[in-house]
Amino acid sequence: AQKITQTQPGMFVQEKEAVTLDCTYDTSDQSYGLFWYKQPSSGEMIFLIYQGSYDEQNATEGRYSLNFQKARKSANLVISASQLGDSAMYFCAMRERFRNAGNMLTFGGGTRLMVKP
Amino acid sequence: EADIYQTPRYLVIGTGKKITLECSQTMGHDKMYWYQQDPGMELHLIHYSYGVNSTEKGDLSSESTVSRIRTEHFPLTLESARPSHTSQYLCASSDLRDSLRHSPLHFGNGTRLTVT
Repeated sequence: AQKITQTQPGMFVQEKEAVTLDCTYDTSDQSYGLFWYKQPSSGEMIFLIYQGSYDEQNATEGRYSLNFQKARKSANLVISASQLGDSAMYFCAMRERFRNAGNMLTFGGGTRLMVKP
Repeated sequence: EADIYQTPRYLVIGTGKKITLECSQTMGHDKMYWYQQDPGMELHLIHYSYGVNSTEKGDLSSESTVSRIRTEHFPLTLESARPSHTSQYLCASSDLRDSLRHSPLHFGNGTRLTVT
């Protein structure tokens, strides 16, 4: 079974508008962490935002925020005021406690976001 | 700034050649990882290391091998490259002490390997 599911292979958004990228996850652990990474066409992976399973507040980092719904096992990324430079692949990832000693992440299939001028 | 370095950035090589992809980090991180990523697809863990002289295989079976003789260096070797090895290889590291909390992986820029 997929651990991390990103159902949107590609999305368009108008510049300056907000966009939500979906991520659902599957785990039986109570303690886990969720990450979002951005991958531009150049290939590097850029860390954006983190949400811990016990964090009561939704994480925010500048224009990025995470809509964390624990009961639904979803951790959607919201990008406000989209910019042309936001065009990239976006990956949701999960770290589970039983693998914590290695801090290994399991990645979703990604969503390609394209910002239109 | 780049604290984790991968070389080469691009590599085109013929079938049967031996290759080594280099990865070095200057952050003193104990944990290092290699992920394989086909274009536009998800990342799959192929190797990881907890520290010097520690290497483990990841979720995705790979014909590559790794070594960890120094903390800062985690090279990946393919003894005999094949077209099926064509992919992007991403190296990452993280701090052992942060494993229970917010500790993102720090990635290098990747090596795009093409085997002809």
